[in-house]
Formats: sequence, C-alpha cells, structure tokens
Amino acid sequence: GQQLNQSPQSMFIQEGEDVSMNCTSSSIFNTWLWYKQDPGEGPVLLIALYKAGELTSNGRLTAQFGITRKDSFLNISASIPSDVGIYFCAGLVKGAQKLVFGQGTRLTINP
Amino acid sequence: EAEVAQSPRYKITEKSQAVAFWCDPISGHATLYWYRQILGQGPELLVQFQDESVVDDSQLPKDRFSAERLKGVDSTLKIQPAELGDSAMYLCASSQGQLYGYTFGSGTRLTVV
Repeated sequence: GQQLNQSPQSMFIQEGEDVSMNCTSSSIFNTWLWYKQDPGEGPVLLIALYKAGELTSNGRLTAQFGITRKDSFLNISASIPSDVGIYFCAGLVKGAQKLVFGQGTRLTINP
Repeated sequence: EAEVAQSPRYKITEKSQAVAFWCDPISGHATLYWYRQILGQGPELLVQFQDESVVDDSQLPKDRFSAERLKGVDSTLKIQPAELGDSAMYLCASSQGQLYGYTFGSGTRLTVV
C-alpha cells in the first residue's frame, strides 16, 4: 500500500534553532498536509499544500509541496518551547478523502 | 470553534471483553472517519463513512471490529472481543468533503490488559 517515509524520526534542538523535516513517498499525492500532535490529543492541522511546487507559510512554519508530488518538507524557524510535539506529514489519496500518514517526527527542545 | 467530540477519553478493559467508543462529528460534516494510532506510529484509517454509508472499511478487522453511523450523525466503533494488540489511540475525524474541514477529535486511549 501507499507509505510515507518521514525523517528524521526525532530531533533534539536548542530553543531558537531552525528545524527542518521531510516526507517522501513512492506514490504521487495530490495534497500534502502537515499536522502537529501533542501528547494525549488528536492531530491538529498546521499547513495544507494543494499544488506541486507550492510553498506555503503559517507564521514561523513553512512547507513545500515537491515538484514530483512525491515529497514535502516542513521548516520551523526560531523554535520555541511550545513547538515540542510530534509532527506528521499526510498525503491525500487521489480520488478519495482519506489520508495516509507518515510515522512522525518527535521534536524536543532544550531551553 | 466547532470540535469533534469523542468519549470516553480513556478506557481500560480486559482482553476478551467488549468495548465501544463514541464520536460526534462537527455539525454538518457528512464524512466521518475512524483512525487507529499505535504508540509511536502515525494514524491508520479503519473506516470511512459518507452520511450513514460505509465508503471504505478495507482496513477494519471485521472479525472483531464493527462501526455504525445509523442516522448519519454520530458514530460508534465497537471491538468484541478485545485483544492485547488493540491497545492504541482511536481517533475520530470529520469533514465537509473539502479538505480544510478535516478535523480530528482528541481520541480515546484504549488499554487492553
């Protein structure tokens, strides 16, 4: 089936540093999404990407939809303590409304 | 802001027992999803409803799992009998059919002992 490979699996950074994570797939997706999940909560949508090559920002977050439609990256600038959590990429299956998720990137920030 | 409601938040059950989870989607959202998230992994779709009809249940273990959305509003996911490997977070999400309306609930954390 369709799988998303997300990397890195975990990151340990200092507060104020920039963060970069990415997601790749052997399948083409028409939409890429990035979610953040806090412990014990459901995922919350951060950024949605609808077109190949699209670059979208949401505050300190920037994400891009790869030209091949098989990858995406998420950058976080000037990290702060509340950025701690697990970040998931998700691809929308063509012709359906269901999402396929990556395995997540766990972000830990040292103050 | 409208939310997807799920209950209970936490459930501990013994293996071989029956367990049920409830989800109330955002009002007006025709599409409802149940996902299972094993610790350390991303969510995986179990079943998708469009109104009261099942659209996709290809990943639902039908020998022990069942889901219904009788009036096309709230939904129940049942496991009978529960097995140790069913321990996970069960997430409900709903959508208007447009991606921007895809919202997750806070989930039910199931522990099978």
